[in-house]
Amino acid sequence: ETGVTQTPRHLVMGMTNKKSLKCEQHLGHNAMYWYKQSAKKPLELMFVYSLEERVENNSVPSRFSPECPNSSHLFLHLHTLQPEDSALYLCASSLGLAVYEQYFGPGTRLTVT
Amino acid sequence: QKEVEQNSGPLSVPEGAIASLNCTYSDRGSQSFFWYRQYSGKSPELIMFIYSNGDKEDGRFTAQLNKASQYVSLLIRDSQPSDSATYLCAVGTGANSKLTFGKGITLSVRP
Repeated sequence: ETGVTQTPRHLVMGMTNKKSLKCEQHLGHNAMYWYKQSAKKPLELMFVYSLEERVENNSVPSRFSPECPNSSHLFLHLHTLQPEDSALYLCASSLGLAVYEQYFGPGTRLTVT
Repeated sequence: QKEVEQNSGPLSVPEGAIASLNCTYSDRGSQSFFWYRQYSGKSPELIMFIYSNGDKEDGRFTAQLNKASQYVSLLIRDSQPSDSATYLCAVGTGANSKLTFGKGITLSVRP
C-alpha cells in the first residue's frame, strides 16, 4: 500500500539510544494509528490520532512518545527501550474515526539490543 | 475485555478448493468487521470489510457476517498458491472504531 509510507524500514538500536519512526499518509485521511506486532501475538493498538489530536493511548509505556504535527504525518519517538520492545511497528490511517477501513504502511522492523 | 478468536490453524487446502476462515468476537456492540491478508515479512493488507448481516462478495472472496451468532467468516473460492498467507480478522467497536485483531490463521494452498 503506497498510500502510507514508513521510514526507516529497519532499525537496530541500543537501549540507551533515542530514535524516531516516521509515517506519512497520502490518502487524505484524518485519523492515524500506531500498532505493535510481536511474534505470536495479535496486533496491539498503541495510539490513535484524529485531526492531530490524540484520542487513544492504550496504556503504552512512556518510553514511546507519539507526535502528530498534521493529519498527514505521524511520528513515534523512542528512548530507553527494552529488548522486549523489539517488534514490527505499523502505522495505519483511515478516513475518520468511525467505522472506516484502516490501511497499513509497510512497517518498521525494530530490534533493540 | 473484547476478544476476537480465530482458529489457530494452520489451514491447508489444495489448489482450486474453497478455503473457509472463521472468526468469533465477544462484544455484541461491534459494528465493523475486516479481513486482512498478511504475507510473511509484509504488513497487513485489507481485502474485505463488512458492516451488515449477510454475505458480501468481491471476486473470489466472500465475507459472511452473523451478528446474532457473533461470527464472521471469509470464504476464498478457487484457492491459489498466491493466497498462502496469514489472515487476520479485525473487529471495530465504539465511536472511535477501535480495532481488535485476532491472532490470525495461516493458510497454505497446495499446488
